[in-house]
Amino acid sequence: GENVEQHPSTLSVQEGDSAVIKCTYSDSASNYFPWYKQELGKRPQLIIDIRSNVGEKKDQRIAVTLNKTAKHFSLHITETQPEDSAVYFCAANPPGGGADGLTFGKGTHLIIQP
Amino acid sequence: NAGVTQTPKFQVLKTGQSMTLQCAQDMNHNSMYWYRQDPGMGLRLIYYSASEGTTDKGEVPNGYNVSRLNKREFSLRLESAAPSQTSVYFCASSEAWRMNTEAFFGQGTRLTVV
Repeated sequence: GENVEQHPSTLSVQEGDSAVIKCTYSDSASNYFPWYKQELGKRPQLIIDIRSNVGEKKDQRIAVTLNKTAKHFSLHITETQPEDSAVYFCAANPPGGGADGLTFGKGTHLIIQP
Repeated sequence: NAGVTQTPKFQVLKTGQSMTLQCAQDMNHNSMYWYRQDPGMGLRLIYYSASEGTTDKGEVPNGYNVSRLNKREFSLRLESAAPSQTSVYFCASSEAWRMNTEAFFGQGTRLTVV
């Protein structure tokens, strides 16, 4: 089945700096890569996603890049703000779905230092 | 529009007790899922229901059963709770069973088994 590795597990950056979280996946057939943000005590919520026919996608301060050859994708947050502090999860979805339908990474705890 | 609603939010069980976690969505989604979240482990799929009338095992199904009562409701049952089932449980739903669309999560159930 699909296996998603996420790094780093904890990331501390100064407010205003950029943050980058990286994920690798194992199933070359995976074609959908969402990122979820989970604030403390809250539910995960989708912040951005990318499909395999696209190399990069941006939404204001957030961007995601995908390298299908290397089987990795990354989340970039620019001009970080205190409200960006949260746990971020990447995920990959192979087209076959099923029990591998959406496999999550273990998460990155992003800490924004004032 | 409530989205995905889970009950209860918190629960303490004694080892061997049983309980059912309830989940309902009002977005007319076809697919529903149960995940558990443990520190450092990310979100792991317990069971899913691709459509009304079907259920399938996910990554960690042992000790659980599910029922897709109708299109709106998907319940998770612990027949004989064990301390290893202490976790935060999330129900989720999506329009497409392969989850190549946004997954919406409930607010979570924090379960402690003593």
